[in-house]
Amino acid sequence: DTGVSQNPRHKITKRGQNVTFRCDPISEHNRLYWYRQTLGQGPEFLTYFQNEAQLEKSRLLSDRFSAERPKGSFSTLEIQRTEQGDSAMYLCASSSGGGGTGSEKLFFGSGTQLSVL
Amino acid sequence: KQEVTQIPAALSVPEGENLVLNCSFTDSAIYNLQWFRQDPGKGLTSLLLIQSSQREQTSGRLNASLDKSSGRSTLYIAASQPGDSATYLCAVIGNKLVFGAGTILRVKS
Repeated sequence: DTGVSQNPRHKITKRGQNVTFRCDPISEHNRLYWYRQTLGQGPEFLTYFQNEAQLEKSRLLSDRFSAERPKGSFSTLEIQRTEQGDSAMYLCASSSGGGGTGSEKLFFGSGTQLSVL
Repeated sequence: KQEVTQIPAALSVPEGENLVLNCSFTDSAIYNLQWFRQDPGKGLTSLLLIQSSQREQTSGRLNASLDKSSGRSTLYIAASQPGDSATYLCAVIGNKLVFGAGTILRVKS
C-alpha cells in the first residue's frame, strides 16, 4: 500500500501519560501535515513540515505537543502529560508541494483515535 | 480569519435522488478548494480539487463548482446510492487548509 500510513489506529491512555503517534507519508511527498478532529467537527490544522523543516504551528499546538520529521520522511507527534481534552482523532496528510502551499492535493491517512481516560 | 460553513449539517435522501451540498467561505483569497469524503472512524478521501482559476470539476457522478467571488462551492451528486452515505467535507486552501464541519449524508435504499 503506497498511501499515508498512521500508527497506532487507536490509543487509550490515562490522563498524565505521554503518547506518541507515527505517520508515514506517501514516499515522494515532501509536505506533511498534522490535523486534529473532534466529533462532529472538521479537522483543525496543527502543524506542517516541508521536508524536515517544521514551517508552521497552530496556536492549538500547546507546549505539551511536539512534532518531528527528522529525515524528511516519517513524522511523529508526541503529547506529553495528556489531558481529557486531548481526546480526538489525529490525522496526518501529505502532498507533493511544488508551488505555494495550497496548490496541491492532500492525501490523508486513516488517523489515530486517542482516548484519554 | 477564514471561516468555512457547510449547509445542510445533515441530509437524508432516498436512493436515486440527485442532491447538492453547499460550502461557503469568508475569505476569497484562496488557492483552491477540495471536497473530501469521510466514513465513520476513518480518514479523509479526496474527491475533487478545484483550482482557484477553475469553475468546476467532474468525476463520475460528482460535480463540484466554485464561485470564488461569492465565496461559494457546491458538490452535486447524481443518482445517489446507499454507498454514498458518509460525511462530506469541504476545505479551502489559502495560507492553510481550513475545513468546514461537514455534511452528514444518508442515502436510504
